[in-house]
Parts: sequence; structure tokens; C-alpha cells
Amino acid sequence: RKEVEQDPGPFNVPEGATVAFNCTYSNSASQSFFWYRQDCRKEPKLLMSVYSSGNEDGRFTAQLNRASQYISLLIRDSKLSDSATYLCVVPPSGTYKYIFGTGTRLKVLA
Amino acid sequence: DVKVTQSSRYLVKRTGEKVFLECVQDMDHENMFWYRQDPGLGLRLIYFSYDVKMKEKGDIPEGYSVSREKKERFSLILESASTNQTSMYLCASSPLPDRVSEQYFGPGTRLTVT
Repeated sequence: RKEVEQDPGPFNVPEGATVAFNCTYSNSASQSFFWYRQDCRKEPKLLMSVYSSGNEDGRFTAQLNRASQYISLLIRDSKLSDSATYLCVVPPSGTYKYIFGTGTRLKVLA
Repeated sequence: DVKVTQSSRYLVKRTGEKVFLECVQDMDHENMFWYRQDPGLGLRLIYFSYDVKMKEKGDIPEGYSVSREKKERFSLILESASTNQTSMYLCASSPLPDRVSEQYFGPGTRLTVT
């Protein structure tokens, strides 16, 4: 099993839709998690951090399910500008090595 | 605002050349990282450094070396570039070595080796 797994997509959704992605991780000791957004040919930028059960920021909600070892990202009222690749990042416990998922591509259609 | 800069956005080099990629951060971060990103493979860690002159190998260090002489600067060196090193190279930094924190990325260097 990969350390971090994401569905590569693409998820094609109409504007205004709600979309959710999951990310599964294998290290049960992981304590913190991140969602990054990466636009085409640009660098990843932090979208949200998840340190406990979840986090909400406007239209974006991140949730952590420790029992099933996955984190999710929910985007409500999708905008065209949300089109990007969303990377799940799990830092292994006790080290500084961040493990990146390969990303889920989202396309929001007009 | 944290700023991480990289010396070049695009670079074209010939096989066998020595290549230097420079990364500078202006937020006094202890940790710095070099990744390469390839389609379908995601970001893979090449090297990281947690202090000046300290470095540790990541998952794919072969063919690369690094240098960190000053806290703000972390250089990646391709001793003899090969075509399989054509990739997007991303530098990152993070603060707070006593706990895990998010990383801040530079804009990336797209390297083509011909």
C-alpha cells in the first residue's frame, strides 16, 4: 500500500456544485495533515491544515477520519477558479519528511 | 509573507554539464528541501537540510548533491546532468524544527537536459 493515495481524477464538475476528494494514508501515527493547491505549472500552495478532527475555511472543509485513516476535502459552491490539482500531504510522525500524494485534478466547468 | 525564490524559472542544459539550482528564503526558516515533480509520480524528496551545513538524503538522492553554507540558501547540484533529470525542481522551506509545520514553496525551476 502506498503511504499516501489519492484518486488522480479529473473530477469535472459544473460551477456551483459541491465536490469532495479523499486521501488515504498508511501511517496511523501521523498527527498533522495538509491540503495544498497546485495550479498548472506553478508551485504548490497551502490550502488548509488539519490537526485534529477537521478544519473549515469559507467554502472549504477538511475532515480527518483517524479510524479509517483518510482525510477529505470538501469544496462547496465550486468556482471556475477552483480548477487546480489538490495535493494531500502527510508528514510521517517523528521526521521532517513530508509525503505527498500525486494529487487530484479538479476541473470546474462553466 | 514568506518568500522562497529560485534562481531560474526555466533552464536548458546539455548532458554531462554541471548544473546549479539556487534557492533562497527570507524568513529565517531552519528547514529547507529540494523536490522534483514528474507527471504521475508526484513530488519526490531529493535532499533536505535542517541546519547550516547539515543535510540528509531524501528518497532519490542519486545524481544530486546539495550545499547549505548559509541559513537562507540551499543549493542543488547536478554533478553531470542526464536526460532522466529533466523535471520540475521545487525548493521549499519550513519553520519550527520542534514540530511539524507546513512548507512554503518556491516557484520552481523547469529543467530540460538535452
